[in-house]
Amino acid sequence: NAGVTQTPKFQVLKTGQSMTLQCAQDMNHNSMYWYRQDPGMGLRLIYYSASEGTTDKGEVPNGYNVSRLNKREFSLRLESAAPSQTSVYFCASSGLAGLVFGPGTRLTVL
Amino acid sequence: DQQVKQNSPSLSVQEGRISILNCDYTNSMFDYFLWYKKYPAEGPTFLISISSIKDKNEDGRFTVFLNKSAKHLSLHIVPSQPGDSAVYFCAASASYNQGGKLIFGQGTELSVKP
Repeated sequence: NAGVTQTPKFQVLKTGQSMTLQCAQDMNHNSMYWYRQDPGMGLRLIYYSASEGTTDKGEVPNGYNVSRLNKREFSLRLESAAPSQTSVYFCASSGLAGLVFGPGTRLTVL
Repeated sequence: DQQVKQNSPSLSVQEGRISILNCDYTNSMFDYFLWYKKYPAEGPTFLISISSIKDKNEDGRFTVFLNKSAKHLSLHIVPSQPGDSAVYFCAASASYNQGGKLIFGQGTELSVKP
């Protein structure tokens, strides 16, 4: 039982490049989330998926897209990366015990 | 506009003493509050929560107090241990049914010295 897994762990991009952050959970949770953590800002919700086939915007969705591929997987895509998207990205899923976070992806955009 | 605020970026406490971490919120619609603990290079992990119908919730060494009139909550750790050294985030939601749609504070880094 791995919980929530994220790939990659680290990534460096140049401005304008695109990439997809992958997330998978094996807890059979319906809801999944993407948060970003920035110094002095705490964690902020980017997008979430309440169930397979649905996605909704969170607090800071601009510059991102998401795909809920199936019940297990929820990916986050940056179409044209900007330096302001340098952050640590956390995927999470929620069940009866609340939010379970993955280990994070540290992204640097130069 | 930061709806959940942790005004102390850091706190240093001696092992065995009490650690008190504070959190203020502005949105009166929040009715469910949580504390998460985060070690470096790991994701946050759930620590303890409290519903607005209560003013206190305990779990072992951890107690959360809620003062709704002051829109303030605090986390008490007694006794503090070196393994408690981590960043602590408070979070709030408008309903338990909001699931993982949480508003987080900025975090407080706790250092417990032996």
